[in-house]
Amino acid sequence: AQSVTQLDSQVPVFEEAPVELRCNYSSSVSVYLFWYVQYPNQGLQLLLKYLSGSTLVKGINGFEAEFNKSQTSFHLRKPSVHISDTAEYFCAVRGMDSSYKLIFGSGTRLLVRP
Amino acid sequence: NAGVTQTPKFRILKIGQSMTLQCTQDMNHNYMYWYRQDPGMGLKLIYYSVGAGITDKGEVPNGYNVSRSTTEDFPLRLELAAPSQTSVYFCASTENTGELFFGEGSRLTVL
Repeated sequence: AQSVTQLDSQVPVFEEAPVELRCNYSSSVSVYLFWYVQYPNQGLQLLLKYLSGSTLVKGINGFEAEFNKSQTSFHLRKPSVHISDTAEYFCAVRGMDSSYKLIFGSGTRLLVRP
Repeated sequence: NAGVTQTPKFRILKIGQSMTLQCTQDMNHNYMYWYRQDPGMGLKLIYYSVGAGITDKGEVPNGYNVSRSTTEDFPLRLELAAPSQTSVYFCASTENTGELFFGEGSRLTVL
């Protein structure tokens, strides 16, 4: 079974500052990892995903994440945030077994202030 | 291209009533999911399906049932609604890349 821990429930940051949203996972098998974003009153959209290959993954809207297998982490970063990045961000994991269950973390609310 | 369509968008139920949340996708995806989202809890997987005729329990299946008679449709049924089932429900589908495509959600209130 897999599980995901997002260590921060809310992250306030000023506009144009860098941000890191933390994600740690637990799994007995190798994993695929994802970050999704949810804007108010909407469904979730994929930001980026790690399936294999380079551990540094670039996504949409200038976000990137780095897969660290030894630390079982997949932290999301952006060098300079905008007001429009205010949203809820979810980390998710799926095991590379025959299961297609995608398990989500509890989410981190990014609040960008002017 | 409609993607994943959920109905209804909003519903108020009385305790003990039953209802079905409908989910349809037009992308010919084999894998479909139902999640519930509660404040501060993220998304919890209720049921999922890897193809027509096949369903399996997720993290929080109690109080719900699903069926998958066709590739396109994956309805979620609540038999005896309880206040604990007040939530926002999301249906999603995917092929084998793992990227889920979500519907816009169904907000259910049980009073």
